[in-house]
Amino acid sequence: AQKVTQAQTEISVVEKEDVTLDCVYETRDTTYYLFWYKQPPSGELVFLIRRNSFDEQNEISGRYSWNFQKSTSSFNFTITASQVVDSAVYFCALSETFSSNTGKLIFGQGTTLQVKP
Amino acid sequence: KAGVTQTPRYLIKTRGQQVTLSCSPISGHRSVSWYQQTPGQGLQFLFEYFSETQRNKGNFPGRFSGRQFSNSRSEMNVSTLELGDSALYLCASSLVGTGQNGYTFGSGTRLTVV
Repeated sequence: AQKVTQAQTEISVVEKEDVTLDCVYETRDTTYYLFWYKQPPSGELVFLIRRNSFDEQNEISGRYSWNFQKSTSSFNFTITASQVVDSAVYFCALSETFSSNTGKLIFGQGTTLQVKP
Repeated sequence: KAGVTQTPRYLIKTRGQQVTLSCSPISGHRSVSWYQQTPGQGLQFLFEYFSETQRNKGNFPGRFSGRQFSNSRSEMNVSTLELGDSALYLCASSLVGTGQNGYTFGSGTRLTVV
């Protein structure tokens, strides 16, 4: 069964703290893609990163970093030195390559991040 | 490069009415997917259109339908609106509708059913 779980519903931090958002996924597919999206109050889903199942190399991009571990089916996202503008809802999503699942993203329930000044 | 355009941005409809939402994908993209976002159910996949054909469908009643035109613009229609249809409807544009190409979302249409 395909599933994405974001166990953290809400996280509140003070500006400049580091924060990690957790994501665990389930899939039977051997080739799949994982995504993180950010949704500010305006509603648009803003793409942050995509990883395929064969690329376990972790990445750092500015204040963002990602930790992908196939052994634990996790794809965690860390914001270093958080800022008030990082306040948003963050979604982890899974895209499988089964032909019956084209065009479909399976989303977690989202984690609301509040960064206080 | 223009992004994904969804119109209208906001809608208020009465129970029993029908509504049509529009999504114009990024130029050159042939896949358009639709999602419903509610506080209780989160983001749920409605359907995906590719080259004017519905290729994938989520678990929604037949009141929810869509279509795609030859220029890849897509519309979704909800008939006999219910209060529970109040939601943010998002569309996603993709080159061919695979994770490899990624998905770009529009700003959404916020539908309120009263």
